Parts: sequence; structure tokens; C-alpha cells
Amino acid sequence: GQQLNQSPQSMFIQEGEDVSMNCTSSSIFNTWLWYKQDPGEGPVLLIALYKAGELTSNGRLTAQFGTTRKDSFLNISASIPSDVGIYFCAGRISGAGSYQLTFGKGTKLSVIP
Amino acid sequence: NAGVTQTPKFQVLKTGQSMTLQCAQDMNHEYMSWYRQDPGMGLRLIHYSVGAGITDQGEVPNGYNVSRSTTEDFPLRLLSAAPSQTSVYFCASSYSTGTAYSPLHFGNGTRLTVT
Repeated sequence: GQQLNQSPQSMFIQEGEDVSMNCTSSSIFNTWLWYKQDPGEGPVLLIALYKAGELTSNGRLTAQFGTTRKDSFLNISASIPSDVGIYFCAGRISGAGSYQLTFGKGTKLSVIP
Repeated sequence: NAGVTQTPKFQVLKTGQSMTLQCAQDMNHEYMSWYRQDPGMGLRLIHYSVGAGITDQGEVPNGYNVSRSTTEDFPLRLLSAAPSQTSVYFCASSYSTGTAYSPLHFGNGTRLTVT
């Protein structure tokens, strides 16, 4: 199956620092989604991207759909303790009936107060 | 709206036992799916359904059965549990099956331990 390479696998940062993570693939995607999973809960959608080059913000979060359509980036500014969790990227390959999402393996974020 | 509801939240089984993980959504979503989440493996698709009466296999279907008799419900059955099926299981749904504009909505998971 298709693979998404998500990096870094884990991060330890100080409260107030900015965070960057990314996903890359050898395939072309027509959708990029970023999810956050809090401990003991299911992933929750943060940002959805549908067009190459698209830059979308949600509060302190900003995500971009790479211009090659093979990558996406998520930035978190001025991190706070509640940003702790696992962040997943997910992509959908273009094509008729292609509704399956491929998930990255996640970036585990720890914020040190 | 409750969104995607999964029951039970926790379950312990002995090897060889059977059980059904329940999933219901109240958003009238066409598409429903089951994932398992294991440490370092991310989310892997088990089975999915694009509408009532239609199911198909995902990446890791062995050992699991599904059915979709209604739009709302998509149960996952383990016929003979094995320790390798110890995992956290997530049900997810989305509105449309034919376009890109349909993010998945997840339930809160069922944590299954097989001893």
C-alpha cells in the first residue's frame, strides 16, 4: 500500500516554543488532513487541505499542502501544555472512488512547562 | 449529535473467545471503517463500508468480520481472538465516498486485550 513518512517520530519542546512536523510520500495526494490524538481518545481533525500550495490556519496551528502534492507540513506556534498528544497526517490519493486515507505513523509531542 | 460511538471502551478476552465491537454514527455518513492502532504502527485499516450492504477489506482484515445492515451501525467481529489482536480499535465515518471533501470522524476507541 501507499506509505506516508511522518517526521519526527517524537519531540520534546519547552512551553512557548514553535513546533514543525511534516509528512512526505512518493505518491501524489489530492487531500491532506492533520489529526491530533489526546491520550485515551480518538483522533480529532485539526486542519484539512484540498489544493496544492494551500496554507490554512486554525488558531496557533498552520498547515500547508506542498506544491508537489507529495508533502504537507504542520506548524504549531507558541506551544502550550495542552498541545501534548500524537499528531497524525493523512492523505487521500486522487482518482475515481479513491476515498481511502493513508495515515502517517504519528508525531508524539511532549511539552515541558 | 453524538458523532461516532464505540462500545465497549475496554475489553479483555481469552484466546479463542469471540466478541463484537460496536460502532454507531448519527451523522448519516455513507462511509464507515475500522482501524487498529498499535505502538509505532500508526492507524491501519481493517475493513470498510461505502454504504449499507457493502463491505470490503482493508490493509489488515484477517481475523475480523464486518457487516453493514444499516447506515448507522458497523460492528466488527472477532470470531476467535488471538493475542496478536490486542490493540486499540477505532471506528471512523465520513459523509461522502466519492470525493476528497470528506474527512474521517473517529470514535473514542475500544482497548482490547487478548490473553
